[in-house]
Amino acid sequence: GAGVSQSPRYKVAKRGQDVALRCDPISGHVSLFWYQQALGQGPEFLTYFQNEAQLDKSGLPSDRFFAERPEGSVSTLKIQRTQQEDSAVYLCASSLGAGNTGELFFGEGSRLTVL
Amino acid sequence: AQSVTQLDSQVPVFEEAPVELRCNYSSSVSVYLFWYVQYPNQGLQLLLKYLSGSTLVKGINGFEAEFNKSQTSFHLRKPSVHISDTAEYFCAVSLGSFGNEKLTFGTGTRLTIIP
Repeated sequence: GAGVSQSPRYKVAKRGQDVALRCDPISGHVSLFWYQQALGQGPEFLTYFQNEAQLDKSGLPSDRFFAERPEGSVSTLKIQRTQQEDSAVYLCASSLGAGNTGELFFGEGSRLTVL
Repeated sequence: AQSVTQLDSQVPVFEEAPVELRCNYSSSVSVYLFWYVQYPNQGLQLLLKYLSGSTLVKGINGFEAEFNKSQTSFHLRKPSVHISDTAEYFCAVSLGSFGNEKLTFGTGTRLTIIP
Protein backbone atom coordinates (compact mmCIF):
# COMPACT_ATOMS: atom_id res chain seq x y z
CA GLY A 1 0.00 0.00 0.00
CA ALA A 2 0.91 3.65 -0.25
CA GLY A 3 0.94 4.40 3.47
CA VAL A 4 2.03 2.91 6.78
CA SER A 5 -0.20 0.01 7.69
CA GLN A 6 -0.77 -1.22 11.24
CA SER A 7 -2.62 -4.25 12.54
CA PRO A 8 -4.70 -4.99 14.43
CA ARG A 9 -6.46 -1.64 14.62
CA TYR A 10 -8.08 -2.64 17.90
CA LYS A 11 -6.96 -5.21 20.45
CA VAL A 12 -8.54 -6.11 23.76
CA ALA A 13 -6.39 -8.19 26.07
CA LYS A 14 -6.86 -9.60 29.53
CA ARG A 15 -4.28 -8.55 32.07
CA GLY A 16 -1.31 -10.90 31.84
CA GLN A 17 -1.78 -11.79 28.17
CA ASP A 18 0.92 -11.25 25.57
CA VAL A 19 0.14 -9.10 22.53
CA ALA A 20 1.87 -8.46 19.21
CA LEU A 21 1.32 -5.37 17.10
CA ARG A 22 2.43 -5.24 13.50
CA CYS A 23 3.67 -2.34 11.39
CA ASP A 24 4.18 -2.40 7.64
CA PRO A 25 6.09 0.78 6.69
CA ILE A 26 6.15 2.59 3.37
CA SER A 27 8.24 0.61 0.90
CA GLY A 28 11.83 1.79 0.80
CA HIS A 29 11.69 3.69 4.07
CA VAL A 30 14.83 3.14 6.06
CA SER A 31 13.73 4.45 9.45
CA LEU A 32 10.91 3.06 11.57
CA PHE A 33 9.61 4.40 14.87
CA TRP A 34 7.17 3.19 17.52
CA TYR A 35 5.29 5.67 19.71
CA GLN A 36 2.80 5.21 22.55
CA GLN A 37 -0.10 7.64 22.85
CA ALA A 38 -2.10 7.54 26.05
CA LEU A 39 -5.58 9.06 26.13
CA GLY A 40 -5.40 12.85 25.96
CA GLN A 41 -1.63 12.90 25.60
CA GLY A 42 0.88 13.44 22.85
CA PRO A 43 2.77 10.51 21.35
CA GLU A 44 5.71 9.30 23.44
CA PHE A 45 8.75 7.75 21.76
CA LEU A 46 9.34 4.06 22.36
CA THR A 47 11.98 2.80 19.94
CA TYR A 48 13.69 3.42 16.58
CA PHE A 49 15.08 1.20 13.82
CA GLN A 50 17.35 2.01 10.95
CA ASN A 51 16.84 -0.89 8.58
CA GLU A 52 17.03 -3.97 10.82
CA ALA A 53 19.18 -2.34 13.49
CA GLN A 54 17.46 -1.11 16.64
CA LEU A 55 19.43 2.06 17.31
CA ASP A 56 17.41 3.50 20.17
CA LYS A 57 15.14 1.72 22.63
CA SER A 58 15.38 4.27 25.40
CA GLY A 59 11.61 4.87 25.46
CA LEU A 60 10.52 1.28 26.12
CA PRO A 61 8.85 1.51 29.54
CA SER A 62 9.89 -1.90 30.83
CA ASP A 63 11.49 -5.18 29.82
CA ARG A 64 7.99 -6.45 28.99
CA PHE A 65 8.19 -4.40 25.80
CA PHE A 66 10.15 -5.78 22.88
CA ALA A 67 10.38 -4.68 19.25
CA GLU A 68 11.98 -6.23 16.22
CA ARG A 69 12.43 -5.57 12.50
CA PRO A 70 14.35 -8.64 11.36
CA GLU A 71 14.47 -7.97 7.62
CA GLY A 72 14.46 -4.19 7.72
CA SER A 73 10.86 -3.89 6.61
CA VAL A 74 7.91 -5.09 8.73
CA SER A 75 8.22 -4.49 12.45
CA THR A 76 6.50 -6.09 15.41
CA LEU A 77 6.03 -4.58 18.86
CA LYS A 78 5.46 -7.24 21.49
CA ILE A 79 4.16 -6.61 24.97
CA GLN A 80 4.42 -9.47 27.45
CA ARG A 81 2.23 -9.93 30.51
CA THR A 82 0.13 -6.87 29.68
CA GLN A 83 -0.90 -4.50 32.47
CA GLN A 84 -3.74 -1.98 32.58
CA GLU A 85 -1.27 0.89 32.28
CA ASP A 86 -0.28 -0.49 28.85
CA SER A 87 -3.67 0.60 27.48
CA ALA A 88 -2.91 3.17 24.78
CA VAL A 89 -2.72 3.70 21.04
CA TYR A 90 0.54 2.42 19.60
CA LEU A 91 1.67 4.40 16.59
CA CYS A 92 4.17 3.33 13.99
CA ALA A 93 5.93 5.81 11.71
CA SER A 94 8.47 5.49 8.92
CA SER A 95 10.73 7.83 7.00
CA LEU A 96 13.26 7.88 4.20
CA GLY A 97 16.04 8.27 6.75
CA ALA A 98 18.15 10.96 8.32
CA GLY A 99 19.25 13.73 6.01
CA ASN A 100 16.05 13.68 3.99
CA THR A 101 12.85 15.69 4.43
CA GLY A 102 12.63 15.26 8.19
CA GLU A 103 9.03 14.07 7.89
CA LEU A 104 7.71 10.97 9.62
CA PHE A 105 4.72 9.20 8.04
CA PHE A 106 2.36 7.71 10.60
CA GLY A 107 0.00 4.77 10.51
CA GLU A 108 -3.48 4.95 12.02
CA GLY A 109 -2.35 3.17 15.14
CA SER A 110 -3.27 0.06 17.11
CA ARG A 111 -5.54 0.75 20.07
CA LEU A 112 -4.76 -1.64 22.93
CA THR A 113 -7.20 -2.00 25.81
CA VAL A 114 -6.09 -4.14 28.74
CA LEU A 115 -8.89 -5.32 31.02
CA ALA B 1 17.22 17.03 25.80
CA GLN B 2 14.59 18.92 23.89
CA SER B 3 10.99 19.49 25.03
CA VAL B 4 7.79 21.03 23.69
CA THR B 5 5.08 22.95 25.52
CA GLN B 6 1.59 23.50 24.21
CA LEU B 7 -0.06 25.62 26.85
CA ASP B 8 -3.59 25.45 25.44
CA SER B 9 -5.16 22.03 25.73
CA GLN B 10 -8.43 23.17 24.13
CA VAL B 11 -9.21 26.10 21.83
CA PRO B 12 -12.80 26.85 20.74
CA VAL B 13 -13.11 29.19 17.76
CA PHE B 14 -16.06 30.40 15.74
CA GLU B 15 -16.16 29.39 12.10
CA GLU B 16 -14.38 31.85 9.77
CA ALA B 17 -12.55 33.45 12.72
CA PRO B 18 -8.73 33.45 12.92
CA VAL B 19 -6.89 31.09 15.23
CA GLU B 20 -3.43 30.79 16.76
CA LEU B 21 -2.21 27.62 18.47
CA ARG B 22 0.82 28.22 20.63
CA CYS B 23 3.97 26.12 20.79
CA ASN B 24 7.16 26.76 22.71
CA TYR B 25 10.18 24.53 22.68
CA SER B 26 13.31 24.07 24.73
CA SER B 27 16.61 22.93 23.28
CA SER B 28 20.26 23.79 23.65
CA VAL B 29 20.92 23.14 19.96
CA SER B 30 19.20 23.84 16.65
CA VAL B 31 16.06 21.87 16.06
CA TYR B 32 13.65 21.03 13.29
CA LEU B 33 10.06 22.01 14.11
CA PHE B 34 6.82 20.39 12.99
CA TRP B 35 3.08 20.67 13.32
CA TYR B 36 1.04 17.51 12.90
CA VAL B 37 -2.75 17.21 12.81
CA GLN B 38 -4.77 14.23 13.99
CA TYR B 39 -8.36 13.99 12.79
CA PRO B 40 -10.69 11.68 14.74
CA ASN B 41 -9.77 8.01 14.30
CA GLN B 42 -6.98 8.84 11.86
CA GLY B 43 -3.20 8.84 11.99
CA LEU B 44 -1.02 11.88 12.41
CA GLN B 45 -0.59 13.96 9.26
CA LEU B 46 2.10 16.57 8.67
CA LEU B 47 0.75 20.12 8.40
CA LEU B 48 4.04 21.95 7.97
CA LYS B 49 7.69 21.95 9.03
CA TYR B 50 10.59 24.27 9.61
CA LEU B 51 14.03 22.92 8.77
CA SER B 52 15.95 26.08 7.88
CA GLY B 53 15.65 29.25 5.83
CA SER B 54 12.58 31.50 5.89
CA THR B 55 11.05 31.69 9.34
CA LEU B 56 7.51 31.82 7.95
CA VAL B 57 6.43 28.46 6.66
CA LYS B 58 3.22 27.61 4.90
CA GLY B 59 1.51 24.27 5.10
CA ILE B 60 -1.56 22.45 3.91
CA ASN B 61 -5.15 23.59 4.41
CA GLY B 62 -4.20 27.27 4.70
CA PHE B 63 -2.13 26.93 7.87
CA GLU B 64 1.14 28.75 8.46
CA ALA B 65 3.64 28.99 11.31
CA GLU B 66 6.43 31.33 12.24
CA PHE B 67 9.70 30.21 13.79
CA ASN B 68 10.93 32.69 16.39
CA LYS B 69 14.35 31.71 17.69
CA SER B 70 14.62 34.43 20.34
CA GLN B 71 11.27 33.43 21.86
CA THR B 72 11.78 29.72 21.14
CA SER B 73 8.30 29.59 19.65
CA PHE B 74 6.63 28.06 16.62
CA HIS B 75 3.02 29.19 16.76
CA LEU B 76 0.50 27.88 14.23
CA ARG B 77 -2.00 30.26 12.62
CA LYS B 78 -4.88 30.26 10.21
CA PRO B 79 -6.70 33.46 9.18
CA SER B 80 -10.13 31.85 8.77
CA VAL B 81 -11.05 28.42 10.14
CA HIS B 82 -13.54 25.94 8.76
CA ILE B 83 -15.58 23.23 10.42
CA SER B 84 -13.28 20.65 8.84
CA ASP B 85 -10.34 22.03 10.86
CA THR B 86 -11.76 20.43 14.00
CA ALA B 87 -8.95 18.11 15.14
CA GLU B 88 -6.07 17.64 17.57
CA TYR B 89 -2.90 19.56 16.71
CA PHE B 90 0.54 18.51 17.88
CA CYS B 91 3.75 20.51 17.83
CA ALA B 92 6.97 18.49 17.66
CA VAL B 93 10.73 18.95 17.51
CA SER B 94 13.63 16.82 16.34
CA LEU B 95 17.40 17.08 16.15
CA GLY B 96 17.17 16.26 12.47
CA SER B 97 20.04 18.56 11.62
CA PHE B 98 22.23 16.26 13.68
CA GLY B 99 20.91 13.15 11.97
CA ASN B 100 18.45 12.32 14.77
CA GLU B 101 14.93 12.02 13.40
CA LYS B 102 13.24 11.15 16.69
CA LEU B 103 10.29 13.47 17.27
CA THR B 104 9.43 14.87 20.70
CA PHE B 105 5.78 15.90 20.82
CA GLY B 106 3.79 18.34 22.89
CA THR B 107 0.62 17.27 24.65
CA GLY B 108 -1.60 18.59 21.88
CA THR B 109 -4.25 21.27 21.42
CA ARG B 110 -7.81 20.27 20.60
CA LEU B 111 -9.26 22.79 18.15
CA THR B 112 -13.05 22.94 18.14
CA ILE B 113 -14.82 25.01 15.50
CA ILE B 114 -18.15 26.51 16.53
CA PRO B 115 -20.65 26.95 13.67
